Amino acid sequence: GAVVSQHPSWVICKSGTSVKIECRSLDFQATTMFWYRQFPKQSLMLMATSNEGSKATYEQGVEKDKFLINHASLTLSTLTVTSAHPEDSSFYICSASGTSDTYEQYFGPGTRLTVT
Amino acid sequence: GQNIDQPTEMTATEGAIVQINCTYQTSGFNGLFWYQQHAGEAPTFLSYNVLDGLEEKGRFSSFLSRSKGYSYLLLKELQMKDSASYLCAVRDRDYQLIWGAGTKLIIKP
Repeated sequence: GAVVSQHPSWVICKSGTSVKIECRSLDFQATTMFWYRQFPKQSLMLMATSNEGSKATYEQGVEKDKFLINHASLTLSTLTVTSAHPEDSSFYICSASGTSDTYEQYFGPGTRLTVT
Repeated sequence: GQNIDQPTEMTATEGAIVQINCTYQTSGFNGLFWYQQHAGEAPTFLSYNVLDGLEEKGRFSSFLSRSKGYSYLLLKELQMKDSASYLCAVRDRDYQLIWGAGTKLIIKP
């Protein structure tokens, strides 16, 4: 159990376009979902925390107008990278926590974004 | 500020034992996690400690001392597939995960 999926697994887009990444909890209800970014050979960096039905909380330095997060249901959160630039190229990972106060975050497989 | 320290890289031999240390200074403490991350993949959960002591799970064990702000991950009977980055993360008083930079473990035959 506790499977989180992400789609797409990798995407290449042109500079200036927008890209949407989906994160789904397949077999549990995720009240909280987290979005991380990871550059090569670096640790995970939390971008934002989203709770179902409410606005996401962004970490300092993360532009909320550029990285739009929607957590519309207990099983789906989306991250939209708007007006993407090459410096946005990174590995984006989502994770989810369930409603039963599980101490564990379940990670999706990640989405590799390359902006050309 | 909040800080998690772990060695950048370690090398060990197949079949041996390795200990990866993690020290932390955080605003409050609500548990410490160890994750394994292979290159190009998302992290996978290894262990969780919230009370002092040793938690054993197969070849992997994790130890916590809250008074010392210290944890270690012990890997026994190392296999080549254990070559990965090992991430230490602490949940602070706001239940936010603070991540270490990770320790790259290289296993040699």
